[in-house]
Amino acid sequence: EVQLVESGGGLVQPGRSMKLSCAASGFTFSNYGMAWVRQAPTKGLEWVATISYDGSSTYYRDSVKGRFTISRDNAKSTLYLQMNSLRSEDTATYYCTRVVLRSRYYYVMDAWGQGASVTVSS
Amino acid sequence: DTVLTQSPALAVSPGERVTISCRASESVSTGMHWYQQKPGQQPKLLIYGASNLESGVPARFSGSGSGTDFTLTIDPVEADDTATYFCQQSWNDLTFGSGTKLEIK
Repeated sequence: EVQLVESGGGLVQPGRSMKLSCAASGFTFSNYGMAWVRQAPTKGLEWVATISYDGSSTYYRDSVKGRFTISRDNAKSTLYLQMNSLRSEDTATYYCTRVVLRSRYYYVMDAWGQGASVTVSS
Repeated sequence: DTVLTQSPALAVSPGERVTISCRASESVSTGMHWYQQKPGQQPKLLIYGASNLESGVPARFSGSGSGTDFTLTIDPVEADDTATYFCQQSWNDLTFGSGTKLEIK
């Protein structure tokens, strides 16, 4: 069974840093791209960042470029999100997701963790 | 960014047929996907490529559309389908719709 378990969330002051981790199991982690998706309280879903299966390529939404870093350790089957210079608008539940290619054309997120809550407030 | 517009909420009775719409601000071909998020849970992939049913998802769910207009259909609706349904496109970067909250009366 595919499992994604996030950790590292909590309350942090504006301008400070926080690092999220996502432990993967039940599949060969090193074969899959991974992504972080966030959801602000009572809001919709927002893609944050994606990393390729081997970590060689990373992609970010504009609002987090230069502040967030997605990375992975395939030996540990773990995905990370380093978040620096945090702002109140970064407050959200952060989901770790597995990215798969369906029908040769479509990148979708077929597995999701339960989410890690991040609150940015003084 | 490609903006996806969804109606905010719907209410239907069990056994009825419901269609949830998603309109894209520009063509996304068939690169549209649907997710279900039940209260307090993480999202779950239902449909990919506009009309392909994800493995394990009941055949009551179906999707259609191409270009800018897409629909997710549930027929018949069951009480357990209470959830928010999000569309997501992967043709032009990656964006989500704001979600349609489905209430079962």
